[in-house]
This record gives sequence, structure tokens and C-alpha cells, in this order.
Amino acid sequence: TQLLEQSPQFLSIQEGENLTVYCNSSSVFSSLQWYRQEPGEGPVLLVTVVTGGEVKKLKRLTFQFGDARKDSSLHITAAQPGDTGLYLCAGVHSGGSNYKLTFGKGTLLTVNP
Amino acid sequence: DSGVTQTPKHLITATGQRVTLRCSPRSGDLSVYWYQQSLDQGLQFLIQYYNGEERAKGNILERFSAQQFPDLHSELNLSSLELGDSALYFCASSGSTLGWGSRGNTIYFGEGSWLTVV
Repeated sequence: TQLLEQSPQFLSIQEGENLTVYCNSSSVFSSLQWYRQEPGEGPVLLVTVVTGGEVKKLKRLTFQFGDARKDSSLHITAAQPGDTGLYLCAGVHSGGSNYKLTFGKGTLLTVNP
Repeated sequence: DSGVTQTPKHLITATGQRVTLRCSPRSGDLSVYWYQQSLDQGLQFLIQYYNGEERAKGNILERFSAQQFPDLHSELNLSSLELGDSALYFCASSGSTLGWGSRGNTIYFGEGSWLTVV
């Protein structure tokens, strides 16, 4: 069972365009993380959002955590070829000494020059 | 460079065989995690160790096992390999098993070990 649904699965856009990718779940998470993975590399953490309704900005990237802490979005403004990669969201379950990340399948973004 | 080292980077083996994947966490990190990434399943959590002890278990098959040694490096053992086990296996580490809800905790992934079962 895939607890985190990411959409779209694939996105190909031109340099300079804006885009939004979504991460939705029926589960409530302690926090949610976004990662970017490039070919031949492991995922790299971009941001962690903790509070419902939280908005965080990282240069041209804007991350939002839903009020109910079940969903999140990533908006990229004026996309550049360097933004190309697999964007993964991960819900964090925490309880006692057990911590687990549940990943979505990702959105594969291609930004064409 | 995340500081997490995985070996081997690529491995091709036959069905029914057994392989061992190795991971050295970032210096000082006590927690080690193993993940499997495939096209159809995405990134799946397998198991977590903290300072030598198993702390959380995910979708890890009985044919797979892992351990974390006193020097904190970890090994993932995959046995009776099947074609469907072909995937990218990631090791990740973090400084503590605590505080996942905090903003400061970060998990660092290695570059992965590509396993192809033929």
C-alpha cells in the first residue's frame, strides 16, 4: 500500500516556467520532508516541514505543509535545467525510539533549456 | 559527498546466490538505515539500526538480514536472490534516533549499490 501519492509522476517543462508538484496522504505525519535525487546519487534532503500550514522557501522553491499535516506541495518558480531530478516527499512517523520515513514514488522533473 | 560510503557500487549476480552490501555511515552518526529503490515500488524502508541495535523494521524480506557492528558500519545480507530483488539499495545515516520531528535532524544517503540479479 502506497501511503504517499505524488503527482504528477512525470513533468517535462521549458526553462523559465513555473510548476507545482503534490504529495498527498490519508495519514497524518509528525513532519514531512522533500528530497531531490539526481541520477547516480542518493536522495538529498531539501526541507523538513513540521507545523500544519507551514510555508518554507528555499530560493526559487516554496514548500507548503497542509493544515492537517497530510499533504504537501512544492512550487518551483522560473525552473532551470539544474532543477532536473526526481523529487521525493517523505512522511516521518515518530514514536518512542522508532523512526521511519515513508516515501512517495516521486515526480521526475525534466527542465529543458 | 554525503559522507556515507557504500560498497560495492555495482553488483551482478545469479539467482539463488547471496550477496553482502556494506555501508560506512557519516563520522559520528549512530543510526543506519537501509532502503530499497525500484521502479515499481519506489523507495522502500527496509530496516534501521541504532548503535548496534535494531530499532525499526520495514518491508524487509526474511531472505534479507542486516547488522550494525561496534564500529558502526553496517552490512545488508541478501540471500536466495530472485530476479525481483534487482534494485538500488541505499544506506543512510543520521546522528540520532531521536528527534525526527525536529527541524534539525537530517538523514544522509549514500550513493547506493546497484544490484542486478540475472
